[in-house]
Amino acid sequence: AQSVTQLGSHVSVSEGALVLLRCNYSSSVPPYLFWYVQYPNQGLQLLLKYTSAATLVKGINGFEAEFKKSETSFHLTKPSAHMSDAAEYFCAVSDYFGNEKLTFGTGTRLTIIP
Amino acid sequence: DAGVTQSPTHLIKTRGQQVTLRCSPKSGHDTVSWYQQALGQGPQFIFQYYEEEERQRGNFPDRFSGHQFPNYSSELNVNALLLGDSALYLCASSLEGRLAKNIQYFGAGTRLSVL
Repeated sequence: AQSVTQLGSHVSVSEGALVLLRCNYSSSVPPYLFWYVQYPNQGLQLLLKYTSAATLVKGINGFEAEFKKSETSFHLTKPSAHMSDAAEYFCAVSDYFGNEKLTFGTGTRLTIIP
Repeated sequence: DAGVTQSPTHLIKTRGQQVTLRCSPKSGHDTVSWYQQALGQGPQFIFQYYEEEERQRGNFPDRFSGHQFPNYSSELNVNALLLGDSALYLCASSLEGRLAKNIQYFGAGTRLSVL
């Protein structure tokens, strides 16, 4: 069974400050890991993905995440927050072995303080 | 290139009724997955369709059923609606095969309200 834990349901950062959203996973097989963003009243947009290649993954809008197997973590970061980053962020895990379901965390709401 | 499209965007039903939601996958995709997102929660996997067959199912009762058509579009049906079925229903499409690495693209969702 796979699971994802997102630490912190709400995170607030000042505009221009570092964004750090935490995600820890549990998986009995090599995982694929994803970060999705959801703006109000919209669906999910893929930010970035880890699929067993480079451990440091760069995504859209200046976000990146690092896969750390020893820590079972896949934290999302952005060096400088922008007002447009305010949204809900979801970490998700799926099985390495094919077109399997995504298991999502409960999400982190990011608020940007002007 | 059209992304994943879902219809309708909003729907209001009463308890006990039946509802059908529709999804057209991203061009070139052959696999459709459905998720339920309750308010304040992460999406929960309902089921996945490939080659017109249900391939995998999450922990949802038989009231939830689906269908995939030859053109890869899909429907989600929910019978005997309960108040707890109120949620955002998301459709995601992907391309079968390990090279695709299970990258799922989501539609904007259908928001179902059960009164």
